[in-house]
Amino acid sequence: NAGVTQTPKFQVLKTGQSMTLQCAQDMNHEYMSWYRQDPGMGLRLIHYSVGAGITDQGEVPNGYNVSRSTTEDFPLRLLSAAPSQTSVYFCASSFGQESQPQHFGDGTRLSIL
Amino acid sequence: GEDVEQSLFLSVREGDSSVINCTYTDSSSTYLYWYKQEPGAGLQLLTYIFSNMDMKQDQRLTVLLNKKDKHLSLRIADTQTGDSAIYFCAERAGANNLFFGTGTRLTVIP
Repeated sequence: NAGVTQTPKFQVLKTGQSMTLQCAQDMNHEYMSWYRQDPGMGLRLIHYSVGAGITDQGEVPNGYNVSRSTTEDFPLRLLSAAPSQTSVYFCASSFGQESQPQHFGDGTRLSIL
Repeated sequence: GEDVEQSLFLSVREGDSSVINCTYTDSSSTYLYWYKQEPGAGLQLLTYIFSNMDMKQDQRLTVLLNKKDKHLSLRIADTQTGDSAIYFCAERAGANNLFFGTGTRLTVIP
């Protein structure tokens, strides 16, 4: 059981480039989300999804797009990378009910030059 | 978003107890969580408490919740060097959103 798998683990981009961060879970979780972690700021919610075909914005959605075509996958897209998007990105999943804690991937460390 | 606050650093000697504190603002929070993050890794759920509970104990971990003061604490008994990590508290406000504190970096001195 792999849990939540994120790829890549590290990435360096130039300003203006686009890329997709991948997230997959094999626990049949309904709820998936993306966070970014910045020094001194904890984790902030970017986008989330309560099920296939449904996505919604979190606290800091600007500059990011998501889609949820399957239960297992929840990719995060940066259409035109900016230095302010340099961060560590975490994907998480859960069964969606309030009592169920979220399971996190190991993160993607992204640097934008 | 909701405001969850933690002190940034804590140092303790090996064998002592560690107490990590957290305050939150949303009185409608249903669940409160403690996560541990080791260097280069994701967040590992340590424990959580439902808002109608005052205390929860799990081996060396004790969670205390003062709902009136919106204060949450995590006590680690007999702290070991392997407990050195960043500890995040998080509150669940609504079905879908977790709001995290800034994290407390615990350093255990041998």
